[in-house]
Amino acid sequence: GAGVSQTPSNKVTEKGKYVELRCDPISGHTALYWYRQSLGQGPEFLIYFQGTGAADDSGLPNDRFFAVRPEGSVSTLKIQRTERGDSAVYLCASSSRGLSTGELFFGEGSRLTVL
Amino acid sequence: DAKTTQPTSMDCAEGRAANLPCNHSTISGNEYVYWYRQIHSQGPQYIIHGLKNNETNEMASLIITEDRKSSTLILPHATLRDTAVYYCIVVPTSGSRLTFGEGTQLTVNP
Repeated sequence: GAGVSQTPSNKVTEKGKYVELRCDPISGHTALYWYRQSLGQGPEFLIYFQGTGAADDSGLPNDRFFAVRPEGSVSTLKIQRTERGDSAVYLCASSSRGLSTGELFFGEGSRLTVL
Repeated sequence: DAKTTQPTSMDCAEGRAANLPCNHSTISGNEYVYWYRQIHSQGPQYIIHGLKNNETNEMASLIITEDRKSSTLILPHATLRDTAVYYCIVVPTSGSRLTFGEGTQLTVNP
């Protein structure tokens, strides 16, 4: 079956530009997570959705970062006025019931490079 | 969430058991121990989790000490495809997120 799908797999942009990253979770999964991962580091939590609402957005680094999940399925991570420090792999994960099931299914990530 | 300490790297011979330690001395009674791994250029993959009893599944075994201050992930017959970064994560039962550290880079050698 289909896993978590993320697009684009690679994105190169210039400093100051706006970027959208998309995540298609596993069908029927109500919980959706965004993480970002810098080279040599573990993934860093950004935001968690349960259904359409952001249940925990405490990991978003600043107000340039925003994420939506309007219909409780696909999610988009939006980054305004990108900076070179935003360069990282952005990972999406989904789960049927959130962390209580013990298993998050991760996509392969979107690699963002800000020049 | 309780902090975890793992060795930066480990090596293992193909076909032998890989034993990956994790220290979580400040763990509290309502916190689970989770293990994930991340193969190069892929997203993390769930392996196993437990609260206080030892657990086993088709991928690995998780041994948690009686005082719960440390645990060991065991891959019984490591293969080259098990080369990855292994993350030990402690999460409250009511937790909503995984907080990854830097993990252990396991290299399985032929």
